[in-house]
Amino acid sequence: DTGVSQNPRHKITKRGQNVTFRCDPISEHNRLYWYRQTLGQGPEFLTYFQNEAQLEKSRLLSDRFSAERPKGSFSTLEIQRTEQGDSAMYLCASSLDNEKLFFGSGTQLSVL
Amino acid sequence: DQQVKQNSPSLSVQEGRISILNCDYTNSMFDYFLWYKKYPAEGPTFLISISSIKDKNEDGRFTVFLNKSAKHLSLHIVPSQPGDSAVYFCAASFFGNEKLTFGTGTRLTIIP
Repeated sequence: DTGVSQNPRHKITKRGQNVTFRCDPISEHNRLYWYRQTLGQGPEFLTYFQNEAQLEKSRLLSDRFSAERPKGSFSTLEIQRTEQGDSAMYLCASSLDNEKLFFGSGTQLSVL
Repeated sequence: DQQVKQNSPSLSVQEGRISILNCDYTNSMFDYFLWYKKYPAEGPTFLISISSIKDKNEDGRFTVFLNKSAKHLSLHIVPSQPGDSAVYFCAASFFGNEKLTFGTGTRLTIIP
């Protein structure tokens, strides 16, 4: 297994467009997390799944954001009607129960 | 409200010397602390952790110290090597809450 995989690595979009990111966790990991990192800041928690259930969402996750993890495998994060303030690195991580998190390389979103 | 703080944005250390990275937290509910290391264009990778029932944890060249009364932890790297040049994030969590709260990071540069 090669670790947590995120696609695409980079996404440039125009304000108002919808974007979707994909995360493939380490295969045996039952927990999957989404974080967002802006320049000069640490990663900020967005949401997490245990298997297919979304168990917690940050207040940072506005109603324009939706995340899914069908069948408890890969996950998608969709942002509707993107705004310039959505520009950030979106990081996915996975873990086995409450063990340490393994992060992917992230998707860098630029909203023009 | 920055609950985990890394007050030094950058640190330069001579190769072979000790690197000391500091982290302060404000939420006394935190009971598990981690250090992550991040290279450019990669996601954070786990380095070392410590539970609040301990005051020290060692793993090879890396040692984390926890001072609960001061709400302070530090990461010692000795001896420092050029490959240690990266951004280091301190993170914290508490039992029953799965999310990590990260600091803003410290960029460590090891000078050959």
